Amino acid sequence: DAKTTQPPSMDCAEGRAANLPCNHSTISGNEYVYWYRQIHSQGPQYIIHGLKNNETNEMASLIITEDRKSSTLILPHATLRDTAVYYCIGLITGTASKLTFGTGTRLQVTL
Amino acid sequence: DTEVTQTPKHLVMGMTNKKSLKCEQHMGHRAMYWYKQKAKKPPELMFVYSYEKLSINESVPSRFSPECPNSSLLNLHLHALQPEDSALYLCASSSPGTGNEKLFFGSGTQLSVL
Repeated sequence: DAKTTQPPSMDCAEGRAANLPCNHSTISGNEYVYWYRQIHSQGPQYIIHGLKNNETNEMASLIITEDRKSSTLILPHATLRDTAVYYCIGLITGTASKLTFGTGTRLQVTL
Repeated sequence: DTEVTQTPKHLVMGMTNKKSLKCEQHMGHRAMYWYKQKAKKPPELMFVYSYEKLSINESVPSRFSPECPNSSLLNLHLHALQPEDSALYLCASSSPGTGNEKLFFGSGTQLSVL
């Protein structure tokens, strides 16, 4: 699985877009990019995943560069409830058991 | 129902006690997982059950004993734990073979070993 690199922390003002970057320069062609987040004292929560096309759901958007070496998770209107640790993970289909969390990005949303 | 339910939410035990953590899901998922998370660290995989059979044991000490009595239940039996085993224990489930590696996590059991 691809090694991913994320900034350790970021701040975002409430109501603004939060853009969380992830580098995955060693990602292979059949590896998906998954994003999870973990709010304090809760279990991780799936957010979104993609292979090469940009994806959007009710929680977030995922922008993957054309060379697939990096991606950005976008929370369009961050709220205080979005304060959490965000994990970017590379996974090949059929290998959920190999889901390994890195250190992630701690996003602090402030008033 | 998209929930993974873990009980108890908090557990305090002595080093000579025997206790069990319980995890339940009714999403029809046939893969279930135990993760351990120390404070300010990412979750670490302990065990994976696939179709009620243990498929992965990440070299976990034998004082942790997993059990999958049926497709909806996952237990973690604890015996003779050490204070360093104090952590948040997370259960997760997924649907293997569907091409979607989405894991659903419970809220965890916060374990303190005295």
